[in-house]
Amino acid sequence: AAGVIQSPRHLIKEKRETATLKCYPIPRHDTVYWYQQGPGQDPQFLISFYEKMQSDKGSIPDRFSAQQFSDYHSELNMSSLELGDSALYFCASSLGDRFANQETQYFGPGTRLLVL
Amino acid sequence: KQEVTQIPAALSVPEGENLVLNCSFTDSAIYNLQWFRQDPGKGLTSLLLIQSSQREQTSGRLNASLDKSSGRSTLYIAASQPGDSATYLCAGTSGTYKYIFGTGTRLKVLA
Repeated sequence: AAGVIQSPRHLIKEKRETATLKCYPIPRHDTVYWYQQGPGQDPQFLISFYEKMQSDKGSIPDRFSAQQFSDYHSELNMSSLELGDSALYFCASSLGDRFANQETQYFGPGTRLLVL
Repeated sequence: KQEVTQIPAALSVPEGENLVLNCSFTDSAIYNLQWFRQDPGKGLTSLLLIQSSQREQTSGRLNASLDKSSGRSTLYIAASQPGDSATYLCAGTSGTYKYIFGTGTRLKVLA
């Protein structure tokens, strides 16, 4: 079965550079979630999209932006990178069912970002 | 604000022991609850999912239960093996669709 695809899997950037992470959800999934896991920490929710509209927002810095495209893939854009942005970034997808609230999130393998 | 605590934070046991990992939510209104395994530097491996209409799930040597009245979940690992060594994370949704993750339990099973 197809899984969530994230690219790149590893990324090294310098401070103040820009990075773009991509997430390709499971086919037919219309909801995407982004999470950030810093070293030794638990994953923290950043932002989510449902049907190409932002559905929820967590502790996402103003330097970060994201969007979901017409094919439901999503991109997380990170500007003015800081050392503290070094983390594992997970994307998850689900099939939105707002009435039954039975969504199961399927997680991608993550993108490991290292800011030097 | 929903917070999730996992107890113990770390655990070291000899091979063959049966284990119980605990997860506690400050807001007991949990819809979906999922247990994950994470190896060092790796991604999340989904172990068990308890959906809103369920109370328990089993897969092989793993059993997870959810008590919605108290907002507590337990993950039971039978006959532990060295290959079970990893960090175990619980995560749940409550009211919103995003997962709130627990603090994790670092498990080491000694051969």
